Amino acid sequence: KAGVTQTPRYLIKTRGQQVTLSCSPISGHRSVSWYQQTPGQGLQFLFEYFSETQRNKGNFPGRFSGRQFSNSRSEMNVSTLELGDSALYLCASSLEPGVTGQYFGPGTRLTVT
Amino acid sequence: QQQVKQSPQSLIVQKGGISIINCAYENTAFDYFPWYQQFPGKGPALLIAIRPDVSEKKEGRFTISFNKSAKQFSLHIMDSQPGDSATYFCAASKRTGGSYIPTFGRGTSLIVHP
Repeated sequence: KAGVTQTPRYLIKTRGQQVTLSCSPISGHRSVSWYQQTPGQGLQFLFEYFSETQRNKGNFPGRFSGRQFSNSRSEMNVSTLELGDSALYLCASSLEPGVTGQYFGPGTRLTVT
Repeated sequence: QQQVKQSPQSLIVQKGGISIINCAYENTAFDYFPWYQQFPGKGPALLIAIRPDVSEKKEGRFTISFNKSAKQFSLHIMDSQPGDSATYFCAASKRTGGSYIPTFGRGTSLIVHP
């Protein structure tokens, strides 16, 4: 069974631009969560989606948004990029909410210049 | 405010030795405590996890010790191998809206010398 896939793997954007990252969960997994990983703040929860609905959201500004499609694939969007948004963005999937085992993708490395 | 404190930040161990990583949490609402292993260029992978009603859990060379009263838990890697060299994250999760939302420690970079 294929793992969680994320595209693109690397991205360079300019401050003020917007970016969309994509995540395809493991087949059969319907819950998708997003995380931001930086050297300064570590791993932080962004949001969780299930059945095309956002179930939980972390403490991030409204510039960070996401959505989930009917096939469970998910996208996250960051608008008006700031230098501090440079990070590794990780997607994780699980069968459904409340299931403790989640599987991470390799991440998208975003660099904002 | 750092809700999950992890130490040490880095750890160097000789092959065959025991690696010990410690975490402490503050919020008693946390009820699921996983450990993740992350290799460079990869996402974190779930290694082992424990619930607060158990004081110890062992899977192969990996053991979690949990002290509920002290709000501390630790990962022990027995017979450490060079292939264990990675970054390890502890996490503490609480149920929010039916989902387990983790709060992560800052990570420990483990190097096992051959």
